[in-house]
Amino acid sequence: SYVLTQPPSVSVAPGKTASITCGGNNIASKSVHWYQQRPGQAPVLVIYYDNDRPSGIPERFSGSNSGNTATLTISRVEAGDEADYYCQVWDSSSDHVVFGGGTKLTVL
Amino acid sequence: EVQLVESGGGLEQPGGSLSLSCAASGSTFSSHAMSWVRQAPGKGLEWVSVISSGGITHYADSVKGRSTISRDNFKNTLYLQMNSLRVEDTALYYCARYSGNSFSGGFDIWGQGTMVTVSS
Repeated sequence: SYVLTQPPSVSVAPGKTASITCGGNNIASKSVHWYQQRPGQAPVLVIYYDNDRPSGIPERFSGSNSGNTATLTISRVEAGDEADYYCQVWDSSSDHVVFGGGTKLTVL
Repeated sequence: EVQLVESGGGLEQPGGSLSLSCAASGSTFSSHAMSWVRQAPGKGLEWVSVISSGGITHYADSVKGRSTISRDNFKNTLYLQMNSLRVEDTALYYCARYSGNSFSGGFDIWGQGTMVTVSS
């Protein structure tokens, strides 16, 4: 089955740039979606189809997908960005939705 | 604004059954694929099942054979029936809407979840 690998944690100072990676075999051939989940809340879609932003999501959030790694980049990080972030794809070979294990973003 | 409201959670015994519902507001329910995603306490997101607007279904290996996802496009409601419950099925169950009718899309709307606890 297809596996997505994320770092368990990423730390960043306010105002700096955070990069959260999502590794998968030839992930560039798939569409990657990213979710933000604050404590006690439901997930929120922040990036879809690799690099598109839903309405209401700040331009500070961007995505890329190449080779075996997709990346969520958060520019000018704010305290409110502190949350768990999950990547997700559809694996058509198994007809399964796959989530990464999640990355806890800590704003120092 | 589209909203999803789950119901049906509670305390269940191992080996028992559960029936969850997800009521969607708005008139576009029938044109979107839908999914159930669960999250065990303190753990990450785990996909459970998907259903297309036309009724094509797929299941995670962990629930396949003991779960049934269905939808009523007239009632704007998504369902999940799960049998032979296990302790490891304990989780917050989210209903999530695909942005379109493609399984390769993302989930643009999520409910607040309904908690299922499986314990004797």
